[in-house]
Amino acid sequence: SYELTQPPSVSVSPGQTATITCSGDTLPNQYAYWYQQKPGQAPILVIFKDTERPSGIPERFSGSGSGTTVTLTISGVQAEDEADYYCQSADTSGTYKVFGGGTRLTVL
Amino acid sequence: QLQLQESGPGLVKPSETLSLTCTVSGDSINRNNTYWAWIRQPPGKGLEWIGSVCDSGSSYYNPSLKSRVTISVDTPKNQFSLNLRSVTAADTAEYYCARQVGDILTGYWFDPWGQGTLVTVSS
Repeated sequence: SYELTQPPSVSVSPGQTATITCSGDTLPNQYAYWYQQKPGQAPILVIFKDTERPSGIPERFSGSGSGTTVTLTISGVQAEDEADYYCQSADTSGTYKVFGGGTRLTVL
Repeated sequence: QLQLQESGPGLVKPSETLSLTCTVSGDSINRNNTYWAWIRQPPGKGLEWIGSVCDSGSSYYNPSLKSRVTISVDTPKNQFSLNLRSVTAADTAEYYCARQVGDILTGYWFDPWGQGTLVTVSS
């Protein structure tokens, strides 16, 4: 089965930059997407197609990719950014969707 | 504005079938080649894609669940449904429905999501 690997947790102070990585063998050939999930809420899309930001998502959220790793960067982290973040992609065929295990971002 | 809402029993007995419905409002479910998906999240754990169905009825599933899952669409009611057979405690989770966006070139992502519904498997 295909897997995406994320660090379980990341901690940053307000105003600093948070980086969350996601690794997987098919990421050079499949786009990645990122979701933010706050406690008791459904996930919302924050990045699609590796680097694109949906309307309504603050500019401090950005995405990048290199080889088998994609990265979600949150610049100037705010307290409201504290949440779980999940990457998502697909297998080689693009058919079967998969999520990373999630990263809990703590704002100190 | 497109909205999705899950509904169904919150408690299912082991070995029985879990059945949920997602009602779509704000747009027609019957758009060309639009896929609709079910995703679940066990308490305190990560997200798992269950499967997706097209407005035409074509569907595909997570290989780990394929033998127990059926996802279908009811276009007159603007709904799509999930049936998960022979459930166990391991199927206890928050179940989300979502629109699957994209195409063969961009890949596919999920947006928006319903608010989710908790289903507990217990006797």
